[in-house]
Amino acid sequence: DQQVKQNSPSLSVQEGRISILNCDYTNSMFDYFLWYKKYPAEGPTFLISISSIKDKNEDGRFTVFLNKSAKHLSLHIVPSQPGDSAVYFCAAEHGSSNTGKLIFGQGTTLQVKP
Amino acid sequence: DTEVTQTPKHLVMGMTNKKSLKCEQHMGHRAMYWYKQKAKKPPELMFVYSYEKLSINESVPSRFSPECPNSSLLNLHLHALQPEDSALYLCASSQVGLAHTDTQYFGPGTRLTVL
Repeated sequence: DQQVKQNSPSLSVQEGRISILNCDYTNSMFDYFLWYKKYPAEGPTFLISISSIKDKNEDGRFTVFLNKSAKHLSLHIVPSQPGDSAVYFCAAEHGSSNTGKLIFGQGTTLQVKP
Repeated sequence: DTEVTQTPKHLVMGMTNKKSLKCEQHMGHRAMYWYKQKAKKPPELMFVYSYEKLSINESVPSRFSPECPNSSLLNLHLHALQPEDSALYLCASSQVGLAHTDTQYFGPGTRLTVL
């Protein structure tokens, strides 16, 4: 059973426009969410996170929105740049597990066209 | 500085070989992790060390043996691997590992090929 889902395997966006990557989760006990960016043959790079006590967190061009009632989060990148082309993973952590165990989604490949 | 280093970058080994993967961080983090990632799949957790003690083993076969000599180092000893174990092996670290708002920082990975 996949607890974290990224239903869009790929997304293509024009440079300068907004990229919106979506993530859904099923476990209501998740209360910390992270986005990672990954280039081929490299490790994931941490982008931004959000705690369940917030509904928005912003860092430069990256904003993460959390809708707890819908069990949905999204990552907005604006403006998108060709260097943003990578695989984006959403990850969630269980609030009461106290183990640091992250559950990853399947990833969305973002292509930003010049 | 959020750097986690891993060596070697690439490793090719036969099924009868014994090899080790190494991971190092100097961020003062007390939790370290091993993940395995196959192509076009998300990272899968293998082991978690918290304060140098193994806290999670995700039912990993015994041919993978983790070791945490100190708070900065994490090793993964490999023995009698199978071709299906070929993957990218990622190390990560976080500040505490017991607080669920820790952020994990990943190393670049070791690309392992088992012949």
